[in-house]
Amino acid sequence: GAGVSQSPRYKVAKRGQDVALRCDPISGHVSLFWYQQALGQGPEFLTYFQNEAQLDKSGLPSDRFFAERPEGSVSTLKIQRTQQEDSAVYLCASRRTSGRPPYNEQFFGPGTRLTVL
Amino acid sequence: QQQVKQSPQSLIVQKGGIPIINCAYENTAFDYFPWYQQFPGKGPALLIAIRPDVSEKKEGRFTISFNKSAKQFSLHIMDSQPGDSATYFCAASIYRRNSGGSNYKLTFGKGTLLTVNP
Repeated sequence: GAGVSQSPRYKVAKRGQDVALRCDPISGHVSLFWYQQALGQGPEFLTYFQNEAQLDKSGLPSDRFFAERPEGSVSTLKIQRTQQEDSAVYLCASRRTSGRPPYNEQFFGPGTRLTVL
Repeated sequence: QQQVKQSPQSLIVQKGGIPIINCAYENTAFDYFPWYQQFPGKGPALLIAIRPDVSEKKEGRFTISFNKSAKQFSLHIMDSQPGDSATYFCAASIYRRNSGGSNYKLTFGKGTLLTVNP
């Protein structure tokens, strides 16, 4: 694939349901990020993976949020017992290496729009 | 505390005009300042970026001006076109060598909705 892909593109969940959002990064990219973008706001950092290691999860808003990247490629962001405030677009981004920019920009996927009713 | 403040929230210009979007940051440890362009239903895409050791960078119709002492940077779009209508985000990041974490995560401004009228 040419870019970062995410699925599903849209997800509607009832409050209290668990959801799983998938990210397929660009092949060979070492670094993977998850961001949350509320309506009319800039993306906010959630978590970062370098290969399969989750090196930074400081942005996860609560213990209901969990992310994994078990084989260092595809990543899944899971939200348990969804709440209305979880409604947002969840963006995934990948970078070729973990080194210093500007030679290693973050490429973003189209996002998953989550609506919690 | 909002680490990157962006203004204006929205901007309308005529075709050929030069919209200017401004950002200010708090953390002097930031060392990489990209601008992203986002169209509805799409993820942000890198437009242009600057390091703090230069005061200006130009790529095509897009120019970043950087003022390290004032902790401010701005995006100028020359000869703006209707196709430039989008939301623009400034961002900043820190490189932490060997920290094992916080590896170039981006801190974004709140965005500027730019409309270029024909």
